[in-house]
Amino acid sequence: AQSVTQLDSQVPVFEEAPVELRCNYSSSVSVYLFWYVQYPNQGLQLLLKYLSGSTLVKGINGFEAEFNKSQTSFHLRKPSVHISDTAEYFCACREGGYNKLIFGAGTRLAVHP
Amino acid sequence: GAVVSQHPSWVICKSGTSVKIECRSLDFQATTMFWYRQFPKQSLMLMATSNEGSKATYEQGVEKDKFLINHASLTLSTLTVTSAHPEDSSFYICSARDPAGGEEAFFGQGTRLTVV
Repeated sequence: AQSVTQLDSQVPVFEEAPVELRCNYSSSVSVYLFWYVQYPNQGLQLLLKYLSGSTLVKGINGFEAEFNKSQTSFHLRKPSVHISDTAEYFCACREGGYNKLIFGAGTRLAVHP
Repeated sequence: GAVVSQHPSWVICKSGTSVKIECRSLDFQATTMFWYRQFPKQSLMLMATSNEGSKATYEQGVEKDKFLINHASLTLSTLTVTSAHPEDSSFYICSARDPAGGEEAFFGQGTRLTVV
């Protein structure tokens, strides 16, 4: 069965510093991987996705993530964060051919001035 | 990208009453929609998969008689919380995939339900 682990529940960081939010997945078949961002009392917005092809994917707001099959990871990175990046970030996984999207527990990114 | 609209964005109801939440795909037809529940500072837990024209598929531990799902058209799914209790207070989010638009899921804005 597939599962998603986000290793950090909270990540505090200063403005303009780089950040990495970690995500590992578990699946016996090929998967699609996603990162979503959630602002307070709002739905989820897609940041980026990996379906196939290049393992480095770029998304909106300057975020990028790298798919590492051998380590079953899909870590999210941003070279320089802004205050406005403060939000909850969710990693999600879906096995090819299935509709169900499985979410990690989420990582709270808190950017401080 | 595709748009999923959820209504209402927040609702307060009295214990024992029922509340209906609507989820609409505005610019695409969704044969399948998903309903999630999110407790404060926690992740999204899939409650059920809503299938147009057929019964919803509920996840283990979700009471289907309490959380009634209807997917009567290709653009509308509804979640009705029946005989609501304070412990049903939560953030409910729906999502749908655009069959013609790739693999990503699009999410509604969420509904904050408070039962008093």
